[in-house]
Formats: sequence, structure tokens, C-alpha cells
Amino acid sequence: QVQLQESGPGLVKPSQTLSLTCTVSGGSVSSGSYYWGWIRQPAGKGLEWIGRIYTSGTTNYNPSLKSRVTISIDTSKNQFSLKLSSVTAADTAVYYCARDPIAVAGVQNWGQGTLVTVSS
Amino acid sequence: EIVMTQSPATLSLSPGEGVTLSCRASQFISTYVAWYQQKPGQAPRLLIFDASNRATGIPARFSGSGSGTDFTLTISSLEPEDFAVYYCQLRSNWPPMYTFGQGTKLEIK
Repeated sequence: QVQLQESGPGLVKPSQTLSLTCTVSGGSVSSGSYYWGWIRQPAGKGLEWIGRIYTSGTTNYNPSLKSRVTISIDTSKNQFSLKLSSVTAADTAVYYCARDPIAVAGVQNWGQGTLVTVSS
Repeated sequence: EIVMTQSPATLSLSPGEGVTLSCRASQFISTYVAWYQQKPGQAPRLLIFDASNRATGIPARFSGSGSGTDFTLTISSLEPEDFAVYYCQLRSNWPPMYTFGQGTKLEIK
């Protein structure tokens, strides 16, 4: 059973870059059958898709965040990462990493989520 | 950009009742729709993929239907553990991105 675990700083200062890593166990980020992505959720609000990456390194981003987002993949460590630059308080949220099959529409596996607060 | 609109925002129901949640897309989207359940403090859980297919381990009381622009999630008889927030989600091919509805909260009456 695949498991995903987010890690990274829980507090980021405004204007700095938020960096998170998702470590995958029980599965491989080299699999050609899945996208690996990031989704966030501000407290008390709905879900917002950030972006995804394929094992080849191909990425897709939410147009509303595209100018600030970079998702990368490290097959040697079985991890993928998120960088979000120039953060503001509006970026405070629980960040989830996720895996979803290419062949069907539905995110099958989620990390437990990690709260990132943007504050000075 | 396609917008997914869920209705109603909140529903108050009793265990044993049946319920149908609605999700409408702002334009035609075929069947690339999923449904999730989220409880407080937990990550969302996939219920339905490709509009009408139950994910692994999901009870048969959950069913999804729809195509085009209108999609529904039906819970045939509510169990106490079903009271949660439900989200629909579109996966579009162009532009390649995911869009979530704003959620429907099922609360105990």
C-alpha cells in the first residue's frame, strides 16, 4: 500500500519561498502510471489544486499559481517536491501531496497533510 | 476555466435517510469527475472516480452518476460516519488541471 508523507518547514516568512517534499513508500515515483501532485486547503475552506508532475519531469500547474510554483521529482530518493515563491498570508494552508492514476480521474492516495503558516 | 458548482452548500439530515449531492460544470466535461469525502483533520478520501466508479473499499451505499455538465453523488442510506464534507473534482485535459467544487457539508439533523 503506497504511503505519502509531506515534510518541510511549518512556518515561512512573507516574500520567502515555501519548500515541501513528499516521500513515497510502497510505490515508486518512477511508475509511468501515475501523476504526483500537490493540493492545498486553507483552514475552513475548500481544496485547491497546485500542480502535478510525471516521472518524465513533465509538469502542469494551476494557472493562478503558475508564475510562483515549481514541482520537481527525484527518482533516486523516491520523492517529489514543491516550491512556492513570494508567499503571502494567503498561502497559509494545509498542503497535501497526492498520487493519481493517469488512466482515470480521481486522486487515489493522499499524504496526511502538513500545515504551512506564512507569518513574520 | 471550467467552474464546478456544488449544491447545496449544507444539508441537515438524519441517519438512515438517503441523499443526492449535485455538482454542475460550467461547460461540457465528459466524465472526468471524482468525488471525495473529507472529515475534520483528515485528508480527503476518494469515493468515486470517472463519475460512476466506486473506489476500492467504498461501501455500495455510495454511487455516482452523470456526464456532460451534471453529476451527482448519492448515498442511499446515511450512516453516522457519512456526515462530512463532500467535494467533486474535475480533471480536464485542456488546460491540464484539476478543479474542485466548493464542497457540500452533510450535517446531522
